[in-house]
Formats: sequence, structure tokens, C-alpha cells
Amino acid sequence: GAGVSQSPRYKVAKRGQDVALRCDPISGHVSLFWYQQALGQGPEFLTYFQNEAQLDKSGLPSDRFFAERPEGSVSTLKIQRTQQEDSAVYLCASTLNPSSGIYNEQFFGPGTRLTVL
Amino acid sequence: AQSVTQPDIHITVSEGASLELRCNYSYGATPYLFWYVQSPGQGLQLLLKYFSGDTLVQGIKGFEAEFKRSQSSFNLRKPSVHWSDAAEYFCAVGGGGADGLTFGKGTHLIIQP
Repeated sequence: GAGVSQSPRYKVAKRGQDVALRCDPISGHVSLFWYQQALGQGPEFLTYFQNEAQLDKSGLPSDRFFAERPEGSVSTLKIQRTQQEDSAVYLCASTLNPSSGIYNEQFFGPGTRLTVL
Repeated sequence: AQSVTQPDIHITVSEGASLELRCNYSYGATPYLFWYVQSPGQGLQLLLKYFSGDTLVQGIKGFEAEFKRSQSSFNLRKPSVHWSDAAEYFCAVGGGGADGLTFGKGTHLIIQP
């Protein structure tokens, strides 16, 4: 596609519900990142995929957060038993090739705004 | 651990005036540095980036930034702002390749007519 797309754009959940957020990266992009952006803050790294392999999940805030990319393209971020502190914008970014020592620009999607009531 | 500090939460500038947004970073190795802009409801758009070489880098929309290693700074500048520049600006640092980026908290730019 022309850019990174995310769905839904907005999600309202009741506390305790499970949610699933989808990211469609740019076609052919090998690397995929998830970030969490709380209100009034900068984005914070959550997790990183290279193809279908989740190589870094050090930023996931709790074991209620789970991400997958089973076929190395579309990725889903799942949050179980949502809490109010999970309310944030969840951003997805993709890059072409993660060659070590060579920067590849991260292209960001528009984000999913999650509100937990 | 790497970190980015943007000391100004809000900045108000008159249209046509010059702009400088401050960014200080902490990183253990040679950093890759970035400035992104985010408009309401939009994703992050890359304005410019520094990897190595010339410490003054040019970006899109007339922005430039200067890398000063001795001051651990990467300030963003524009000689004359336009009303359309009103947005949130984020400075970020990374190691390149597969590294996630570390962002500052952002500076909200307000343009006065």
C-alpha cells in the first residue's frame, strides 16, 4: 500500500475487555515496530518484529500485552483485561531492511486511539 | 540508558518569526538523531535526520537542525514560520537498523497571527 495503515482508528473499551489493534505495514517492509503514546507524551517503544520473529519485546508494559506477526506482514497488538492506564494512542511503524548499522527510516501509521472507560 | 529531553513544553511564535526548538540527548554511542512533526490526528512525519558527516542538516518544509556533540544537542530551526507549522514536534534518538526510537516528550508549537 501507499503507507502504513492501522485499524481501528478509534477504540473505546470497558475496563476488563480485551482489544486487538491491527497494523498493515508498507508492502515489502521487513521490520515492524509498535509504540505507545500516552496523552501529552512522546511515543514509547513497545516491541519489534523482523519478518515474523519478535526480536524485542522489552517495552511491553505487562503480560497483558501481546503482539504477533504470524506471516511477516500484518501485525496485531492485543491487550487483555484492559485497564484505564492503557488509554493511549498506539502507533505502528515499518522499515524496509534492518541492516545492522544502517538506518532505515521508520514510516509511521496514523495510530489507534484507545480509550478505556 | 538513552534519553531525550525537550525542555520547552509549549512555544509561541509569531507568524514570520524565526523558530528554534531545543533537544538534548543522552546516548552511549554515536547516535542517529531525528525530528518528527505530528499534527492532530496524524501520524508522525519525519522532518530530518542526522547520521554522520555535516553537522547542519536540511529537512523538509524549510527546517534545519544542527548536531553539537559537545553539548549533546540537536536543535531544530526555521528562519520564518508559517501558520501551518503549528503542531507537536518530537526529537528522537536511535542506534539505527533494528533499534526502536527513544522520543522526547515533545514541544507544542503555537503560531500567533
